[in-house]
Amino acid sequence: GAGVSQSPSNKVTEKGKDVELRCDPISGHTALYWYRQSLGQGLEFLIYFQGNSAPDKSGLPSDRFSAERTGGSVSTLTIQRTQQEDSAVYLCASSSMGADTQYFGPGTRLTVL
Amino acid sequence: AQKVTQAQTEISVVEKEDVTLDCVYETRDTTYYLFWYKQPPSGELVFLIRRNSFDEQNEISGRYSWNFQKSTSSFNFTITASQVVDSAVYFCALSERIQGGKLIFGQGTELSVKP
Repeated sequence: GAGVSQSPSNKVTEKGKDVELRCDPISGHTALYWYRQSLGQGLEFLIYFQGNSAPDKSGLPSDRFSAERTGGSVSTLTIQRTQQEDSAVYLCASSSMGADTQYFGPGTRLTVL
Repeated sequence: AQKVTQAQTEISVVEKEDVTLDCVYETRDTTYYLFWYKQPPSGELVFLIRRNSFDEQNEISGRYSWNFQKSTSSFNFTITASQVVDSAVYFCALSERIQGGKLIFGQGTELSVKP
């Protein structure tokens, strides 16, 4: 079946602009995660959605970052007023439920000029 | 606090050599899960294995094997008779049941297998 998909695959933006990154999880997966991979920080957790529960936002680095998940499926990660340090690959993963195996999408490479 | 340490940043071997990637973890939870993921040059993270904290049996899958030892908080990964296609960055990760499953990753080990 279809895996996790993310769009766009690449995004180049100017400092100060807002960006939206999209994730389509595997159908039927109730848990959805966002991670960020950068050279300096490795792979770090950002936010976690599980069903209708309140999301775990403990990994978001600043209030410029937000995410939502509509209808328990598609998720959008929004970064407002982008900074150069936001440049990274943003990875989305889904699992059938929390703590189960997470399957990753191909990522969105964000470059902030 | 939870933490995963992969002390080997880079490993280079010649094809057909065996290689072991080390992973040491820290957790206070009694129920947790350990993972290995492979990230080839294409960039996508590929799931390899998941173990729960109550199952210390070693596992073998083809040329891959995993050694889980709670006594030393280690979850090491061995590739037997390595091949060029094994060249990738390998990540060890930990999730705790109490934390809802978010993964804590090690820094990764870049494996280069030369012909």
